[in-house]
Amino acid sequence: DTGVSQDPRHKITKRGQNVTFRCDPISEHNRLYWYRQTLGQGPEFLTYFQNEAQLEKSRLLSDRFSAERPKGSFSTLEIQRTEQGDSAMYLCASSLEGYNEQFFGPGTRLTVL
Amino acid sequence: SQKIEQNSEALNIQEGKTATLTCNYTNYSPAYLQWYRQDPGRGPVFLLLIRENEKEKRKERLKVTFDTTLKQSLFHITASQPADSATYLCALELEKGNAGNNRKLIWGLGTSLAVNP
Repeated sequence: DTGVSQDPRHKITKRGQNVTFRCDPISEHNRLYWYRQTLGQGPEFLTYFQNEAQLEKSRLLSDRFSAERPKGSFSTLEIQRTEQGDSAMYLCASSLEGYNEQFFGPGTRLTVL
Repeated sequence: SQKIEQNSEALNIQEGKTATLTCNYTNYSPAYLQWYRQDPGRGPVFLLLIRENEKEKRKERLKVTFDTTLKQSLFHITASQPADSATYLCALELEKGNAGNNRKLIWGLGTSLAVNP
């Protein structure tokens, strides 16, 4: 296993368009997290899955954001009607039940024009 | 209010010296504190974890201390090398490791370290 992968690595879109990102966690990891990071800031928690169940969603996340993990494996994060303020690096991380360490993917950098 | 503060200024040190990075927090009671390294354009990479009941943890050239009274963690890199140049992030994990708990991380802004040859 080569670790957490994310696709695409870069996405440029126009304001108002919808975008979808994919995360493939480490195969045996049942926990999956999405974070958002802007330049000069630390990552900011967005949402958390245990297996296929979405157990927490940040209050900072508007209704334009939705995430799924349909079979408890890969996850998708969709942003509808993108705004310039959505421009950021979107990071996915996975971990194994009982372990603290989170393994991060390379991120998807979103630019909204 | 709840805050996590790390050295706001970038740290520049000479190769071979010890780098010391600070993480202070207020109005949190973390069960664990973690340190990650992040290189430009990449995701964070886990380095060390220290529990609330531990004072110090070491791994090779890395050392972390944790003072829950002062609400502070110090991260040391001894015999620093240019390859250690990166941003170092501290992260608090508030939940204990019970099944189903959201073990999300609350992050500081990071400190940029440059080790000069």
